[in-house]
Amino acid sequence: GDSVTQMEGPVTLSEEAFLTINCTYTATGYPSLFWYVQYPGEGLQLLLKATKADDKGSNKGFEATYRKETTSFHLEKGSVQVSDSAVYFCALDNFNKFYFGSGTKLNVKP
Amino acid sequence: GAVVSQHPSRVICKSGTSVKIECRSLDFQATTMFWYRQFPKQSLMLMATSNEGSKATYEQGVEKDKFLINHASLTLSTLTVTSAHPEDSSFYICSAGDDYYGYTFGSGTRLTVV
Repeated sequence: GDSVTQMEGPVTLSEEAFLTINCTYTATGYPSLFWYVQYPGEGLQLLLKATKADDKGSNKGFEATYRKETTSFHLEKGSVQVSDSAVYFCALDNFNKFYFGSGTKLNVKP
Repeated sequence: GAVVSQHPSRVICKSGTSVKIECRSLDFQATTMFWYRQFPKQSLMLMATSNEGSKATYEQGVEKDKFLINHASLTLSTLTVTSAHPEDSSFYICSAGDDYYGYTFGSGTRLTVV
């Protein structure tokens, strides 16, 4: 069945460091891919999405490219800030059903 | 690992009736549960935040009288769609947990109102 696998956390970085959170998926057909972010005490927020192969989603300095050949959708940011500390979820939508990764907690230290 | 059970996975109901969806944390206590709705070909939308023993906090634009949320215990939250109409047909998903241990998603409920 469809599934999403993302790297386990927590990930701890210093401010201005480069961030990569790996996400790979298994799916039939052509799913849409998403990254969601959850800040402490809040619900999920959509961070970015891509709906077809080679699409790049971007928002707030974060980027992810839909790679069908490697079934990946890795999240990257060139320079993280303390305010980026949160839990990040990779997800796919296939035939209107969502599958989530287990979440990766990011801690950014000043 | 943490498991969240959501039931039913699919439900079809007649217009005007009410439907209850359960979100249950099976092996942990969840102080907070979130309810989301997904419209076709769109991303998830947060509907409400449910804290055990207190009233749910609804997001702007979500009708609290239509989407009744009850978080009566640390392991169970329910979402009741009252007087359902076809436009309420959607995919509903919950997540449960806390900020320290993290959140786990239920498997979702596909509601179809006919």
